[in-house]
Amino acid sequence: KNEVEQSPQNLTAQEGEFITINCSYSVGISALHWLQQHPGGGIVSLFMLSSGKKKHGRLIATINIQEKHSSLHITASHPRDSAVYICAVLLYNTDKLIFGTGTRLQVFP
Amino acid sequence: GEEVAQTPKHLVRGEGQKAKLYCAPIKGHSYVFWYQQVLKNEFKFLISFQNENVFDETGMPKERFSAKCLPNSPCSLEIQATKLEDSAVYFCASSPDRYGYTFGSGTRLTVV
Repeated sequence: KNEVEQSPQNLTAQEGEFITINCSYSVGISALHWLQQHPGGGIVSLFMLSSGKKKHGRLIATINIQEKHSSLHITASHPRDSAVYICAVLLYNTDKLIFGTGTRLQVFP
Repeated sequence: GEEVAQTPKHLVRGEGQKAKLYCAPIKGHSYVFWYQQVLKNEFKFLISFQNENVFDETGMPKERFSAKCLPNSPCSLEIQATKLEDSAVYFCASSPDRYGYTFGSGTRLTVV
């Protein structure tokens, strides 16, 4: 079993839909990152969370430390949101990220 | 600048040749990390630095991989005698505090 599990693996949506991607982890962490990787490969850090909720534009990320679970929400999705979204946790007391397997999102017009 | 600059973007090497990858962290960031992305979303931690000092190298295959971060120079990751399984995208990231990561755009290494 992976230490960081994401669901779903693949997600297809129509433009304008509300999207949720989930991440569960089984290890102690200092922080959790949500990353976006477009075809062509560059990685963009969307959020870093250690508690609560953060919002940036149409993106919202939440984390529940007790339940070891985080969600990434995209409101009013757009085709340019199509990418792989990766949850990565910073192992407690280390500087190593452990990555989830990613969620491939495709948003159609 | 405000980006982590990785060069080259693509590198092709024959099996057994040396490969050298470079990473210029964001100015003021004292932590640098190297990760290897082998399959679509399989990332492996290689090494981290705090300034020019190795912080954690537990992920490095030491027999062929080496890395340095020297003052006033880009950090480097060198692979001696590349093997086919070294084909991957190598990402560098920098951080001011070990928590907030900024990733570079990666170097795609293809070993043929």
